[in-house]
Amino acid sequence: GAVVSQHPSRVICKSGTSVKIECRSLDFQATTMFWYRQFPKQSLMLMATSNEGSKATYEQGVEKDKFLINHASLTLSTLTVTSAHPEDSSFYICSARGDYRTDTQYFGPGTRLTVL
Amino acid sequence: GENVEQHPSTLSVQEGDSAVIKCTYSDSASNYFPWYKQELGKRPQLIIDIRSNVGEKKDQRIAVTLNKTAKHFSLHITETQPEDSAVYFCAAREKAAGNKLTFGGGTRVLVKP
Repeated sequence: GAVVSQHPSRVICKSGTSVKIECRSLDFQATTMFWYRQFPKQSLMLMATSNEGSKATYEQGVEKDKFLINHASLTLSTLTVTSAHPEDSSFYICSARGDYRTDTQYFGPGTRLTVL
Repeated sequence: GENVEQHPSTLSVQEGDSAVIKCTYSDSASNYFPWYKQELGKRPQLIIDIRSNVGEKKDQRIAVTLNKTAKHFSLHITETQPEDSAVYFCAAREKAAGNKLTFGGGTRVLVKP
């Protein structure tokens, strides 16, 4: 099946710094990528949807200026957590979907962010 | 928007028994319903999916049924094994909302040997 990678897998940073997470589709072109946040023992919460070459669509309550999303190519999307604070600590997971003929979303392995 | 409810939140079964997880959705326009399995600290893995033009789909020990009229779908795992222990999420796709998935709250399944 399709493979999605995410980097880094873990990151620890100081409060106030910015962290960039990369999501790559390795063997298919992802016209749409999704970014989720998952708290311990909870479900996946969609943060935003990004389509290649256009601005991301953010879910209600998600701050656009804090969670910057870029989908510059068909195989790469990035999420930058700006001015991170301890409450931003979480598991961030991306998923990728091919073209309109494909229903399936394939998930990356996730990035565990810890903000000190 | 779409709302997906999932029950039960936890499920403990004896190895070899069956496990059933049920989900309901609110948007009658949703037309794609995947199920994901997530082990601790790992990515969700698609295990089976069903589209709205199909009532049932089976893949070895896993089956999914869909009742469009009642707006609910279920996951059935037969002959459970300890490696089936994980958290299972159902989801529904909102076609009118950029094809995004709305997830249920998850079911933690424990298969006791």
